Amino acid sequence: GAVVSQHPSWVICKSGTSVKIECRSLDFQATTMFWYRQFPKQSLMLMATSNEGSKATYEQGVEKDKFLINHASLTLSTLTVTSAHPEDSSFYICSAKGTGETEAFFGQGTRLTVV
Amino acid sequence: GQNIDQPTEMTATEGAIVQINCTYQTSGFNGLFWYQQHAGEAPTFLSYNVLDGLEEKGRFSSFLSRSKGYSYLLLKELQMKDSASYLCAVRDSNYQLIWGAGTKLIIKP
Repeated sequence: GAVVSQHPSWVICKSGTSVKIECRSLDFQATTMFWYRQFPKQSLMLMATSNEGSKATYEQGVEKDKFLINHASLTLSTLTVTSAHPEDSSFYICSAKGTGETEAFFGQGTRLTVV
Repeated sequence: GQNIDQPTEMTATEGAIVQINCTYQTSGFNGLFWYQQHAGEAPTFLSYNVLDGLEEKGRFSSFLSRSKGYSYLLLKELQMKDSASYLCAVRDSNYQLIWGAGTKLIIKP
C-alpha cells in the first residue's frame, strides 16, 4: 500500500504554545487529506478534510482558528494547534487519499501532550 | 442520524475463530471498511466491501449485506498479535467516512 508519514510521533509542549504536525504522502499524490483526533478508548473523530490548494472543510464543533490546516502541495498537509491547552492533549492522525482511490492511507499518528 | 454499531469488547482464545459484527444506518452507502488498530498506533486497513458477499483475505474475511445494513469481520486461527481494536467505517453518500467506536478484541492463550 501507499505510505503516509506523519511527524512528529509524539510531542510535549507547554500550555499557550503552538505545535505543528506534518503529514506527507511519500509515494503518491494526495489530493485529499483528512485530520482526525482520537481520545483514549474512543473512535476516530474527523476534524477536517482538506483538498490540495483549497481551504479545509472543518467539521461542526472544530475551531478553525485553533486548528490551522494547510494543504499547499499534493504531498504535504500540516495541522497547527495554536495556543495549545491541556484539553488539546490527544492522539492526532492524518490520512491521505489520491484521486479516484478507494482507500485512504493513515499516518502513524502524533501523540500530543500539553503541560 | 448516522450510526455505526459494533460490540465494545470481545474475548477469544488463541487458535479459535471470532466474528465481529457491525450494523450501520447511514445516509447513502459507498462502501464499508474494516481497520485494525493496536493501542497507541494509527489504524491499518484490513478490508473493503461495496457489494454484497464475502471477501476473503488470508485469515481475515469480511461480509456485507447492504439490504440488512450489516457486516462482519471474521478472524480465523487467532494469534496473540490479533489483540487490537477493530474499527468498522462506512462511506456515506457524501463520501464521508462514518466510524464505529471500535471493538476491542482480547485474545487469551
